[in-house]
Amino acid sequence: KAGVTQTPRYLIKTRGQQVTLSCSPISGHRSVSWYQQTPGQGLQFLFEYFSETQRNKGNFPGRFSGRQFSNSRSEMNVSTLELGDSALYLCASSLLAGPNYGYTFGSGTRLTVV
Amino acid sequence: GENVEQHPSTLSVQEGDSAVIKCTYSDSASNYFPWYKQELGKRPQLIIDIRSNVGEKKDQRIAVTLNKTAKHFSLHITETQPEDSAVYFCAASIVVRGDDKIIFGKGTRLHILP
Repeated sequence: KAGVTQTPRYLIKTRGQQVTLSCSPISGHRSVSWYQQTPGQGLQFLFEYFSETQRNKGNFPGRFSGRQFSNSRSEMNVSTLELGDSALYLCASSLLAGPNYGYTFGSGTRLTVV
Repeated sequence: GENVEQHPSTLSVQEGDSAVIKCTYSDSASNYFPWYKQELGKRPQLIIDIRSNVGEKKDQRIAVTLNKTAKHFSLHITETQPEDSAVYFCAASIVVRGDDKIIFGKGTRLHILP
């Protein structure tokens, strides 16, 4: 079966702009979590969505938001981009909600803010 | 607290030797501990996980041990091979102010020397 699909793979944006990233989980998986990966900070948790509801969120400013659709596809939005938002954004798919099940990660979206 | 410490940050071992990566966690309620391998330019992949009711788990050349009393867990790779070169992330489930999530260590870059 198809894996986790993230689009686009690469993005270059200017400071102050906004961006929307998309993630389609494995078919049948209802949980989608988002992570920011940077060389210095590793994998930082952004939020988790399950059944179209945000279950929990990490310590990121309100500029980072997301949503999940009825087909479990999820989008992440970052508004008023800053240089420090440059990172690899990974989404992770899981059959059930919560942290007690292994993730399947997508290949990520590499965001560069200039 | 929300903390998973991982050591070492870089590890070089001769091909055929063993590698050990250690992690400590701070939440005594943590009960799920996955390990992910991320090869250069690729997505993190779950390689093994352990739950708090088990002290050790093996899968071919990979094993994970858990010491709940000391709040630490370790990844052991025996008979290392060139394809083991990658960044390895440990993680632990935590509950913070009612939110449950996975927190990752900062990663260990493993180099297998020929």
